[in-house]
Amino acid sequence: GENVEQHPSTLSVQEGDSAVIKCTYSDSASNYFPWYKQELGKRPQLIIDIRSNVGEKKDQRIAVTLNKTAKHFSLHITETQPEDSAVYFCAASNPFQGAQKLVFGQGTRLTINP
Amino acid sequence: NAGVTQTPKFQVLKTGQSMTLQCAQDMNHNSMYWYRQDPGMGLRLIYYSASEGTTDKGEVPNGYNVSRLNKREFSLRLESAAPSQTSVYFCASSPSRGGELFFGEGSRLTVL
Repeated sequence: GENVEQHPSTLSVQEGDSAVIKCTYSDSASNYFPWYKQELGKRPQLIIDIRSNVGEKKDQRIAVTLNKTAKHFSLHITETQPEDSAVYFCAASNPFQGAQKLVFGQGTRLTINP
Repeated sequence: NAGVTQTPKFQVLKTGQSMTLQCAQDMNHNSMYWYRQDPGMGLRLIYYSASEGTTDKGEVPNGYNVSRLNKREFSLRLESAAPSQTSVYFCASSPSRGGELFFGEGSRLTVL
């Protein structure tokens, strides 16, 4: 089955700097790659996703890149702000295995230092 | 519009006791899921239901059972709780294959 590895497990950056989180996946049939943000004590919420027919997607300060050949994808956050502090999860989905069976990475705890 | 609602939010059990986590969604979604979240391990899929009347195992189904009662409701049952099932449980729903998952607020379960 699918296996998703996420790095780093913790990341600390200065406010205003950029943050990058990287994920690799094992199943070449996976074609949907979302990123979820989970604030302390809250539920995970989708912040951006990408499908395998595109290489990059942007939404304001957030961007995701996908390299299907190398089977890795990354989350980029620019001009970081204190409210970006949270745990971020990447995930991958194999569409041939039924409903949205997302396999999640282990998570990255991002801390923005003022 | 409440989204995905889970009950209870907190529960403490003794080893061997049974309990059911309830989940309901009001977004008319076809698919529903149960995940567990443990420190350093991300979210792991326990069971899912692609549509009303169907259920399938996820990554970590052992020790759990599910029931898709109708399109709105999807329950998770622990028949004989074990300390290894201490976790935060999230129910989620999605409108279609490949769509966004909408999560409930989570249920924190402790098994002593």
